[in-house]
Amino acid sequence: GEEVAQTPKHLVRGEGQKAKLYCAPIKGHSYVFWYQQVLKNEFKFLISFQNENVFDETGMPKERFSAKCLPNSPCSLEIQATKLEDSAVYFCASSRGPRQQFFGPGTRLTVL
Amino acid sequence: DQQVKQNSPSLSVQEGRISILNCDYTNSMFDYFLWYKKYPAEGPTFLISISSIKDKNEDGRFTVFLNKSAKHLSLHIVPSQPGDSAVYFCAASVTGTASKLTFGTGTRLQVTL
Repeated sequence: GEEVAQTPKHLVRGEGQKAKLYCAPIKGHSYVFWYQQVLKNEFKFLISFQNENVFDETGMPKERFSAKCLPNSPCSLEIQATKLEDSAVYFCASSRGPRQQFFGPGTRLTVL
Repeated sequence: DQQVKQNSPSLSVQEGRISILNCDYTNSMFDYFLWYKKYPAEGPTFLISISSIKDKNEDGRFTVFLNKSAKHLSLHIVPSQPGDSAVYFCAASVTGTASKLTFGTGTRLQVTL
């Protein structure tokens, strides 16, 4: 597609439940990025992929967060045992090369 | 450690005037800079970018200036229009494959009639 698609738009989970977010990058883009936006407009980088390979996962809280980008499937970001502090908007972005990134509309995760 | 800073949380400008949004960075490894515009409940939209080999880049009403020695960049919008009212984010990256973006905390621009 011509736009980055993210589903669902909103997700509500009880503390300790699992959350799974999906991202379909723009067709032809080989790089995918996940960012977390919390209060005060702060964007935090989580992980990036080049095709299905993890490129940079320095921002991932590895004990509960995992992500995949498999061929012919949307990319996914999964949070096991969600915590209140995971409440945020999660943005996916894709790019053709190491420059301009195009962002999806985000998934708002609320952990109660 | 905030490597990209936007010290003005908000800015109000009259329609037709110039809007100037500022951004400072501390990491001298950054060599590519971008400005994104964001409306509520939407993802950031790319506006304009600049490589560190340049000091100015222009695209229509938008111009970005880069002062490497001061580690400072600015976005000029001329003339400002009501539809420009949004939150503007400065972002920086280090050239390389799959370069992550480091964002500032944004400046909310309001263009008044």
